Amino acid sequence: DTEVTQTPKHLVMGMTNKKSLKCEQHMGHRAMYWYKQKAKKPPELMFVYSYEKLSINESVPSRFSPECPNSSLLNLHLHALQPEDSALYLCASSQGSGTPYEQYFGPGTRLTVT
Amino acid sequence: GQNIDQPTEMTATEGAIVQINCTYQTSGFNGLFWYQQHAGEAPTFLSYNVLDGLEEKGRFSSFLSRSKGYSYLLLKELQMKDSASYLCAVPDSGAGSYQLTFGKGTKLSVIP
Repeated sequence: DTEVTQTPKHLVMGMTNKKSLKCEQHMGHRAMYWYKQKAKKPPELMFVYSYEKLSINESVPSRFSPECPNSSLLNLHLHALQPEDSALYLCASSQGSGTPYEQYFGPGTRLTVT
Repeated sequence: GQNIDQPTEMTATEGAIVQINCTYQTSGFNGLFWYQQHAGEAPTFLSYNVLDGLEEKGRFSSFLSRSKGYSYLLLKELQMKDSASYLCAVPDSGAGSYQLTFGKGTKLSVIP
């Protein structure tokens, strides 16, 4: 199983809503990542979890809150988002984080903030 | 810091060969990745080079020259399904974890 799954596929939310994005992998990977990708731009790293601990937070606003309940799951909690936060949110995982292993990406959640 | 440069767009004909270049400047080198991303889909891993030279994998090959800060992705026998963005990425070590910095991507259009 070399798959990273993400739910939901699409999400439309208002600026006062609270929602969560979910990501799951069963490859035994110990590093998991959240990226944000705007149209025609490359993915931008938001957070890295290594062995279930947050190791990198790329100065992301606090309206995005990551959570890693266990080694297979990664959540991104959203609250009071702005329209400019509309983007494709990609989850990825890799074997570890101490070596530049390849990252496997999920299909993404297309988020629209109204 | 990392600086990655690749052409924005390229067009090539079905059945032909195309070379997508990537130049990089990094504070420390930990290899270079190539990813393919179809419109609206997730990036998928194509190759990872850490040593100089050419690595071949089917119709796709990737080349690295560390002294020149240069890599290219070579696609042979182009097919329509190869129309996608090709992202060059370098890992940057920080806080005990390797994070990828992506180039802006090269959008390849394959025409009949």
